[in-house]
Amino acid sequence: DAGITQSPRYKITETGRQVTLMCHQTWSHSYMFWYRQDLGHGLRLIYYSAAADITDKGEVPDGYVVSRSKTENFPLTLESATRSQTSVYFCATLTQATYGYTFGSGTRLTVV
Amino acid sequence: ELKVEQNPLFLSMQEGKNYTIYCNYSTTSDRLYWYRQDPGKSLESLFVLLSNGAVKQEGRLMASLDTKARLSTLHITAAVHDLSATYFCAVDTGSGNTGKLIFGQGTTLQVKP
Repeated sequence: DAGITQSPRYKITETGRQVTLMCHQTWSHSYMFWYRQDLGHGLRLIYYSAAADITDKGEVPDGYVVSRSKTENFPLTLESATRSQTSVYFCATLTQATYGYTFGSGTRLTVV
Repeated sequence: ELKVEQNPLFLSMQEGKNYTIYCNYSTTSDRLYWYRQDPGKSLESLFVLLSNGAVKQEGRLMASLDTKARLSTLHITAAVHDLSATYFCAVDTGSGNTGKLIFGQGTTLQVKP
């Protein structure tokens, strides 16, 4: 199916473990983004990517690592999960022609 | 540092009434977005406002942008229960086509029958 897919949908992990959230798009959009959503903060940008092998930090990058070896995939890794990283994570792409963003369904991550 | 502030943060209103949600931002930007989010769901794009004076309408919702005042409004006309959701505005901080969004805190709208 065309679109943007995030996996897993839900994840529970322990403090200190490494966990990777996946994001896959079928449109070949250049720009991809990771946001986290916490109560009272709206969404905050973690990392973004302008193209394969080009990534940059957003507002709240600490504790996260990204890579983008292929245009269609943009995984987000928590190298050593902490309870403060319990959140809902959204991946998004940008359609440059219309300036429109499309968000994935989200991953609800709980760190215990 | 760019800040985006919405008010009110919570709005309870009766069906059939009109109301406005305000979105103020602290730096220059020519692109502003409005999204709707239902509980446990993703963000649904409502409007993309790309220039000063832009006005867009869809059904009972109308959004406008005043870049000089750094203010966008989302006006709800004759509210119905189906409009109950959380509404976010977001300002694009990128130059050209880079695109990085700063979000407001969200306004939770509850429409009562």
